[in-house]
Amino acid sequence: RKEVEQDPGPFNVPEGATVAFNCTYSNSASQSFFWYRQDCRKEPKLLMSVYSSGNEDGRFTAQLNRASQYISLLIRDSKLSDSATYLCVLRSSNTGKLIFGQGTTLQVKP
Amino acid sequence: GAGVSQTPSNKVTEKGKYVELRCDPISGHTALYWYRQSLGQGPEFLIYFQGTGAADDSGLPNDRFFAVRPEGSVSTLKIQRTERGDSAVYLCASSLVEGGNEQFFGPGTRLTVL
Repeated sequence: RKEVEQDPGPFNVPEGATVAFNCTYSNSASQSFFWYRQDCRKEPKLLMSVYSSGNEDGRFTAQLNRASQYISLLIRDSKLSDSATYLCVLRSSNTGKLIFGQGTTLQVKP
Repeated sequence: GAGVSQTPSNKVTEKGKYVELRCDPISGHTALYWYRQSLGQGPEFLIYFQGTGAADDSGLPNDRFFAVRPEGSVSTLKIQRTERGDSAVYLCASSLVEGGNEQFFGPGTRLTVL
């Protein structure tokens, strides 16, 4: 079983739609959680960290459920520019080593 | 300021050859990481350096892979006797400190082994 599991999609949604991505992880010792965004043939970039209390950044909301070992990302009012692959990422220790999910591809259409 | 840079951007080689991939981290970043990303997959951890020393090399797939960071800045990932299965994008990232929240990634080196 992979340490981080994501539905690879693709998710095809119209502009303005709300879309949610989910991710599960197997290592309960995981300490830190992130969503990274990766555009086609580009490097991953940090989108946001994920906290147990939930956190929001504009149209993006991230949630962490430690008991269920589940992470989510909600995107409201989707824009064409949101089209990308969204990577669920965890860090299991203070060493900084990141463990990535397979990524979920989002395509926002006009 | 300058981000993480990697050279070359593309490398095509033949099976059995030796290759070196270079990473220049953000100035002042003490931690440096190497990842490998195959098509349709997320990046997979290879090795990370804190300063000059390899603090964790548990992700290196076998002894054909080796990395150095002799002066605590630039790092080189070396692959001996390349195989077709080594074809991937090799990503380098750096962070200000070990365990720093954000890792900044370079654009990657796309390695193709024919």
